[in-house]
Amino acid sequence: QQQVKQSPQSLIVQKGGISIINCAYENTAFDYFPWYQQFPGKGPALLIAIRPDVSEKKEGRFTISFNKSAKQFSLHIMDSQPGDSATYFCAASRYNFNKFYFGSGTKLNVKP
Amino acid sequence: DAGVTQSPTHLIKTRGQQVTLRCSPKSGHDTVSWYQQALGQGPQFIFQYYEEEERQRGNFPDRFSGHQFPNYSSELNVNALLLGDSALYLCASTRTGNEQYFGPGTRLTVT
Repeated sequence: QQQVKQSPQSLIVQKGGISIINCAYENTAFDYFPWYQQFPGKGPALLIAIRPDVSEKKEGRFTISFNKSAKQFSLHIMDSQPGDSATYFCAASRYNFNKFYFGSGTKLNVKP
Repeated sequence: DAGVTQSPTHLIKTRGQQVTLRCSPKSGHDTVSWYQQALGQGPQFIFQYYEEEERQRGNFPDRFSGHQFPNYSSELNVNALLLGDSALYLCASTRTGNEQYFGPGTRLTVT
């Protein structure tokens, strides 16, 4: 059973637009939800993370929205830039356990 | 401050062989986790080491084993390689309870 489901699989956005990636999780014991950005040939890089005690967290152009009752969370990238073109992964874990369950990834292409 | 480093970068092995991958955690980190990332997929948790002991394990067979040294560096060993073991192997480190940082990975190809 897949613990974290991610959509869409791929996304094309115009420069300056908003990119939205969604994730849903199964295990209500999860209490740490990071997003990672991965460029080809590189390891995933931590972008932003949220704990379930808040519904939203913003860092620069990146925002996580969290809906505990629906067991869903999403990443919003405002003013998307071509340099944001990468694969994005959501993940979930129990805090302090560091055993992450990853989504299947979203390949984002920002058109100039 | 060096981040997580892994070696080698690329590796080609034959079915049935054994392989050892190496990881040095970020300075100050004491916990090392290993993940397998198949092409086009998200990383899958293999196991985690803390204080030189395996603390957690994912759904991987016993052919996958590891070790952590007193300086917190770690090795991943895979015996009896199968074609399906071809993947990017990622090491991630953390100081217990904090954000996890990934290395660049080792690309393993089994022929």
